[in-house]
Amino acid sequence: DTGVSQDPRHKITKRGQNVTFRCDPISEHNRLYWYRQTLGQGPEFLTYFQNEAQLEKSRLLSDRFSAERPKGSFSTLEIQRTEQGDSAMYLCASSLISGGYGHEQFFGPGTRLTVL
Amino acid sequence: GIQVEQSPPDLILQEGANSTLRCNFSDSVNNLQWFHQNPWGQLINLFYIPSGTKQNGRLSATTVATERYSLLYISSSQTTDSGVYFCAVDLYSGAGSYQLTFGKGTKLSVIP
Repeated sequence: DTGVSQDPRHKITKRGQNVTFRCDPISEHNRLYWYRQTLGQGPEFLTYFQNEAQLEKSRLLSDRFSAERPKGSFSTLEIQRTEQGDSAMYLCASSLISGGYGHEQFFGPGTRLTVL
Repeated sequence: GIQVEQSPPDLILQEGANSTLRCNFSDSVNNLQWFHQNPWGQLINLFYIPSGTKQNGRLSATTVATERYSLLYISSSQTTDSGVYFCAVDLYSGAGSYQLTFGKGTKLSVIP
């Protein structure tokens, strides 16, 4: 049984560059979430997918951010024209939703982004 | 939006001591989770506890949903318990997201 995996684990980039992160959820999970965590804070919700459909976005997700989940499996989060304020840990989580009730979320190890 | 407050923000314990961490939340919630974040940033699931009491080894948790708080108990603490403990709640948003709202965490340091 494998948990949620994320790639890369660390990314250092220069301001203005584009970056893309990947998340592979637990295989039978239909929900996939992206969160962002800055130093000294708890994670904050960015967006989520139910299967392949992106159903909600936080106001934190500016138009430089885009997320996809083709075929309802893995997901990618792209940040265009990175800014120093984008430096953070990007966390992916997955869960299994059934019967209209929320269930336990499981998190990946995160991708730590540093924008120079 | 919902507010999640954790206390204390910092806690230093001698190895072997017991501790209680508290999480207060401002609205009715569907679910509540406790996590331990290790030094590498991995969030480790401790409890999924929308109500009632659960125990797992030296850890136990109690959620009193009607009074909007949860407690995490750590007994006989070990140095490996060090890290940040987060409480997170999910509030049905109407959009069906069940997104988690996290507190700011309690940073626990267990010294030998």
